[in-house]
Amino acid sequence: SAVISQKPSRDICQRGTSLTIQCQVDSQVTMMFWYRQQPGQSLTLIATANQGSEATYESGFVIDKFPISRPNLTFSTLTVSNMSPEDSSIYLCSVEGLLTGDTYNEQFFGPGTRLTVL
Amino acid sequence: QKEVEQDPGPLSVPEGAIVSLNCTYSNSAFQYFMWYRQYSRKGPELLMYTYSSGNKEDGRFTAQVDKSSKYISLFIRDSQPSDSATYLCAMKGKGMDSSYKLIFGSGTRLLVRP
Repeated sequence: SAVISQKPSRDICQRGTSLTIQCQVDSQVTMMFWYRQQPGQSLTLIATANQGSEATYESGFVIDKFPISRPNLTFSTLTVSNMSPEDSSIYLCSVEGLLTGDTYNEQFFGPGTRLTVL
Repeated sequence: QKEVEQDPGPLSVPEGAIVSLNCTYSNSAFQYFMWYRQYSRKGPELLMYTYSSGNKEDGRFTAQVDKSSKYISLFIRDSQPSDSATYLCAMKGKGMDSSYKLIFGSGTRLLVRP
């Protein structure tokens, strides 16, 4: 399986500021995703991070609010912009399509970033 | 109607019990079926991955997929207090919106009492 790290692991931010979350994978992967998980809830897909092109956003999520970068096959960032208390959540990086090993169709998750907006 | 239905629990069992966790789904195009375990304040951990119908066993865990009934199960034998977590089913195939992405159940919270 893939080893996925996220930075920061948690943060407390002020309303109106922005936070960039980093996701690093120890293997090259074809697909990288960003999810949000609100307390006691299941996971909601924000967007698919595409290498070398704009991310693909799900309904209800827009690039101005959640800009995403993916410069290579092992790294991606998600920025939460102009934050409000409603953005308080856990943000999870996920990967699929490991280019090594036999887990190509399996999807793995990072440890998450716990964000609190005051 | 949700594409994937899962009882949120909580499910409380004594240590050593056999646990059965289930999900139903409505989209016959789903082909890949997964179970994730999520401990409090942690990311989901992939437990079991199954392609199409059938059974898969890994230690104390058995995953079953019945595509004819659109029903998947995870069995945990000899349950331990360390199994206490939220279990999320997830599946992938061509979705109702024609996209190809992982669709999650709401998760079942399991508590194994010592």
